[in-house]
Amino acid sequence: QKEVEQNSGPLSVPEGAIASLNCTYSDRGSQSFFWYRQYSGKSPELIMFIYSNGDKEDGRFTAQLNKASQYVSLLIRDSQPSDSATYLCAVNIPPLGSQGNLIFGKGTKLSVKP
Amino acid sequence: GAVVSQHPSWVICKSGTSVKIECRSLDFQATTMFWYRQFPKQSLMLMATSNEGSKATYEQGVEKDKFLINHASLTLSTLTVTSAHPEDSSFYICSARDPTQGASEQYFGPGTRLTVT
Repeated sequence: QKEVEQNSGPLSVPEGAIASLNCTYSDRGSQSFFWYRQYSGKSPELIMFIYSNGDKEDGRFTAQLNKASQYVSLLIRDSQPSDSATYLCAVNIPPLGSQGNLIFGKGTKLSVKP
Repeated sequence: GAVVSQHPSWVICKSGTSVKIECRSLDFQATTMFWYRQFPKQSLMLMATSNEGSKATYEQGVEKDKFLINHASLTLSTLTVTSAHPEDSSFYICSARDPTQGASEQYFGPGTRLTVT
């Protein structure tokens, strides 16, 4: 059973702080990793993807991937109340060339306090 | 780019009736679309993968005769919930891949909230 695990939270951080969201996955052959943000009652919105080990930065967001540890994280710098949402980690199911099926974690609820 | 729409955004129907939900890729051609269901406070669960011009691939435990999927064009997939029951009440979300944009990221529609009374 391929799994993606996330701490359900809620994770509460003060405004301006760094929020760190973590995700582990079970299938060592996974190739692509995604972070989606989902506001309550809305559908998920893709915010970051990462394919290679290391860090990938986009504005206030940094995704970190460590394939050896089967671990992917999302850092949000200078957190804002508008960042309060559930963050879903998603992992592509191999093999490459598949239809891009993703397995989603259950999500971490982030609350940024003003 | 990569905009996906869904219609309707919400629907209320009576038990035993059928409901059709449309998913459209607005600015790209999607050979593959996905249908998810999300119950309150739970994660997304993939129901089926919809391929243009061929039969959908259903996930284990999803009844293909109850959830009819048609992907007749490169920009439109439909999900029909037949003989709906109150336990089918959920948030149904479609997503699509833009094959020109990368290996596997998916873009989600805004979702359809179905309530069966």
